[in-house]
Order: sequence, then C-alpha cells, then structure tokens
Amino acid sequence: TQLLEQSPQFLSIQEGENLTVYCNSSSVFSSLQWYRQEPGEGPVLLVTVVTGGEVKKLKRLTFQFGDARKDSSLHITAAQPGDTGLYLCAGDGGTDKLIFGTGTRLQVFP
Amino acid sequence: SAVISQKPSRDICQRGTSLTIQCQVDSQVTMMFWYRQQPGQSLTLIATANQGSEATYESGFVIDKFPISRPNLTFSTLTVSNMSPEDSSIYLCSVAGPQGTDTQYFGPGTRLTVL
Repeated sequence: TQLLEQSPQFLSIQEGENLTVYCNSSSVFSSLQWYRQEPGEGPVLLVTVVTGGEVKKLKRLTFQFGDARKDSSLHITAAQPGDTGLYLCAGDGGTDKLIFGTGTRLQVFP
Repeated sequence: SAVISQKPSRDICQRGTSLTIQCQVDSQVTMMFWYRQQPGQSLTLIATANQGSEATYESGFVIDKFPISRPNLTFSTLTVSNMSPEDSSIYLCSVAGPQGTDTQYFGPGTRLTVL
C-alpha cells in the first residue's frame, strides 16, 4: 500500500517566517503534486514535480522532488496570512488515481 | 482547467436518510472521481466513475452505501445512503487533468452533517 506521510501535521507561525513541509513515502512515485485547500473550497494544484532532484519555484514557494522520487518538500519564504490553508501532497496511484498525503495545516498570523 | 460545480454546497441530514450530491463539469471528461474528507483530515478516494460503466470502488467503500451514477461525460452523482453521524464529511468530486499529467481538478465540495 502506498502511503504519503506529511510533517508537520500543524504549523502556526508569524507573518514573515520561513517554513518547510515534508512529504515522505517508502514507495517510488512517477510524479508528485502539491495542492492547497482553503476552507469551503476544493484543493487547488500548486505544482507537479516529475524528475528526481527537480526543484520548482512559484513566487515564494519552492518545491523539491527527492532524488529517489520517494519524497518531496515545500518551502515557503516570508510567509503571509494568504498562505494559510491545508497543504496536501499527492502521488500517482495508477489508473489516473491520486494518493493524498496526510496533510499539513498552516496558519500564518499577521 | 475544468470548472466543476457541486450541489448542494452543504446539508444537514437526519440519520437513516439518504442524500444525493451532484457534480457538473463544464467540459466532457472520461474519468470522474469522488472523495471523502473527514473533519480535519486529508482526502480519501471513494470511487472512480467512468461514463458507460460501473464505478470502481476503493477498499472500504461499497456500492450499496455510496451508489454512483455517470449518465454522461459532464455529470455524475454520489448518493450517501442510510446515513449515520460517521458519514459527516466533505464530499468532493474531481476530474483528471490533461493526459499524462496525473493532476486533478476539484469541485468546491459538499459539506454534509448527519445528526
């Protein structure tokens, strides 16, 4: 069974701080995605990483895919209250299915 | 990206009753997915719905409890049957993104509370 464990589970920080969220598995994935979900909405895709060691940047967000394609990280620089939400990693589960990570709930206070 | 709407957005139901959730997509899609998100938790796939065939259910989910219809390429329904308080969750539908991307686009979800 493919599992994606995220850490930390909860993160509460002040505006301007940096943070890193981790997504780990014992399984190899051909790709990993990161989604953000805000209250009352569905998850929204942030990025897809497909190559081991790949680094992608989206403004203040930096995503990295592990060399062995078993893990990924999301780093946010100078967090803002608008970054508040539930961050979910997801890996391909075959037949177009996604396996979602356990989630990291981020709260950024002004 | 696809635009997905769900109805109702939320509902409060009595135990023992059933609720049907609708999912409408603004373009034709082959595969649609239904997820459950229990309070404060991540998403769990309930089933995959392809037009013209029976839905494929994940372990722990059965058709009698969560019957799904997929009458055409833009619409699907999920029914939560004989509800209990443990069924209180957010139910989300999604569609596959561009072929080869492994991504999905999600509806806004239906928040169900069972009393």
